Amino acid sequence: GAGVSQSPSNKVTEKGKDVELRCDPISGHTALYWYRQSLGQGLEFLIYFQGNSAPDKSGLPSDRFSAERTGGSVSTLTIQRTQQEDSAVYLCASSQRRDSTYEQYFGPGTRLTVT
Amino acid sequence: GDSVTQMEGPVTLSEEAFLTINCTYTATGYPSLFWYVQYPGEGLQLLLKATKADDKGSNKGFEATYRKETTSFHLEKGSVQVSDSAVYFCAQQPSGAGSYQLTFGKGTKLSVIP
Repeated sequence: GAGVSQSPSNKVTEKGKDVELRCDPISGHTALYWYRQSLGQGLEFLIYFQGNSAPDKSGLPSDRFSAERTGGSVSTLTIQRTQQEDSAVYLCASSQRRDSTYEQYFGPGTRLTVT
Repeated sequence: GDSVTQMEGPVTLSEEAFLTINCTYTATGYPSLFWYVQYPGEGLQLLLKATKADDKGSNKGFEATYRKETTSFHLEKGSVQVSDSAVYFCAQQPSGAGSYQLTFGKGTKLSVIP
């Protein structure tokens, strides 16, 4: 079956602009995660969605970052007023359920470059 | 807080050499432990996992044993191939309710030369 897909694969934006990154999880997966992979910080958790529950936003680095998940499926990560330190690869993952019994499947990522 | 420490890379080995990538963790409870691999140009893939002490995860010739006494989960392979060249990430995930966030090590880049 189809895996996790993300779009765009690459995004170059100017400092101060807003960007939207999209994630399509595996069909039937109720849990969805966003992570960020950067040279300085490695892989960091950003936000987590489980079904219709309120998301866990504890990993978001600032209030310029937000995310939503519509209809329990597609998710969009929005970064407002981008800064150069936002440059990173943004990874989305999904799993059948949230606990460690269920593997998190990762998408290919969106490489964001802020100039 | 929870953390994962893995050996710095890059690691360069000749084909058929023995591989060890060290990984240790700090956690308040007994997390599940994972090794993920990222091949060039591809996304993260789960390589193997172990969910309790003394469990051994294995896949594609790689093995790692969950050692509670040393809080370690070292990755080993007896004979590496060129196709094993990739970045390897050790990770942990807490067990129990509300436990879903993966905490990753910094990654170790492995290059295998013919």
